[in-house]
Amino acid sequence: DTAVSQTPKYLVTQMGNDKSIKCEQNLGHDTMYWYKQDSKKFLKIMFSYNNKELIINETVPNRFSPKSPDKAHLNLHINSLELGDSAVYFCASSHVAANTGELFFGEGSRLTVL
Amino acid sequence: RKEVEQDPGPFNVPEGATVAFNCTYSNSASQSFFWYRQDCRKEPKLLMSVYSSGNEDGRFTAQLNRASQYISLLIRDSKLSDSATYLCVVTANQAGTALIFGKGTTLSVSS
Repeated sequence: DTAVSQTPKYLVTQMGNDKSIKCEQNLGHDTMYWYKQDSKKFLKIMFSYNNKELIINETVPNRFSPKSPDKAHLNLHINSLELGDSAVYFCASSHVAANTGELFFGEGSRLTVL
Repeated sequence: RKEVEQDPGPFNVPEGATVAFNCTYSNSASQSFFWYRQDCRKEPKLLMSVYSSGNEDGRFTAQLNRASQYISLLIRDSKLSDSATYLCVVTANQAGTALIFGKGTTLSVSS
């Protein structure tokens, strides 16, 4: 069974559209994240949720809205997509209390905005 | 100043070589340090944690110098399968809920 799964893996869409990426983890972790990896391969944190509560919200346009219906899910909705949103979006989870620093990443969702 | 800075790559080495990667971080309050590995078009995965006293895992040795805010990774006897991007990672807060990634250093091992 995949530990952190995100869908879709690939997404090609036009500028101005709204899209969502879903993420689920079956590891029982208490914290989930969204990271963005741009064309220069820089992996940057966007959001972090601990037990469904938003704890980190980096400087991200408010077109990006995370939603965590429960501890095992963290979805990302993006409104009015722009060319610069093209990137690979990684969902991740961790058990913060364990303090191992290990993030378990999903396989990534490659978003291309045309 | 970037939060986590790494050696620019790529590093191209022959099999069997020893290669070292360096990393500096700007947040003196960072508590935990790690090296992650990312294969091409794959997700990052934890390679090893970095402890104050230095630690070794097989052919991999990690060192930490808190005073200089410097982290290193040494790979001995490089294998073809070591070809990947190595990401230096530090915690940005005490709770450990934010990991800050460096841009990574790409290693290419050839036969």
